[in-house]
Amino acid sequence: GIQVEQSPPDLILQEGANSTLRCNFSDSVNNLQWFHQNPWGQLINLFYIPSGTKQNGRLSATTVATERYSLLYISSSQTTDSGVYFCAFRVGGYNKLIFGAGTRLAVHP
Amino acid sequence: SAVISQKPSRDICQRGTSLTIQCQVDSQVTMMFWYRQQPGQSLTLIATANQGSEATYESGFVIDKFPISRPNLTFSTLTVSNMSPEDSSIYLCSVEGTGVGTDTQYFGPGTRLTVL
Repeated sequence: GIQVEQSPPDLILQEGANSTLRCNFSDSVNNLQWFHQNPWGQLINLFYIPSGTKQNGRLSATTVATERYSLLYISSSQTTDSGVYFCAFRVGGYNKLIFGAGTRLAVHP
Repeated sequence: SAVISQKPSRDICQRGTSLTIQCQVDSQVTMMFWYRQQPGQSLTLIATANQGSEATYESGFVIDKFPISRPNLTFSTLTVSNMSPEDSSIYLCSVEGTGVGTDTQYFGPGTRLTVL
């Protein structure tokens, strides 16, 4: 099956720092999305980004489907950015969403 | 977008008992999805629930252990049967966004289950 790798697995930042999270996948995927799971477990959809670049405030995402990766940029990080960031996608015609292992981010004041 | 609520938000249960989790969506959706997130792990799809038909289960999940109901287009339940400590997880309900060109997936707040 398709392989997905998220890096880094863990990240510790000081408030105000910038970071880049990466999602690599081994084959063509559909409907790539980025999610943030806060420390209380709530999963929030950040971006639906099958290709190209999108920005939302301090966050932006880029997917280069031909090179099989997606990046999530966090600028001027805040303590509320702490949690786990997942990339997820569909494969072929299936509705099943496949999740990466996640990047666990801790932002300290 | 879609607003999803789940009940209960958390529960502590004894081994051998069953728990039914409810999922309510604020709009009609064709498919509802149930995911499990074991402690410290990523999300795994349990099954897809379509209204008016049997749920479709992923490999490793069976109907006897995780029976699902889907009585209408806004509601679904997942039962975790004959629980063991290995069933301790967060269970999440999910739907696809509605509207033209929307393939975004939305998740409920989750049900945090602890089995003793």
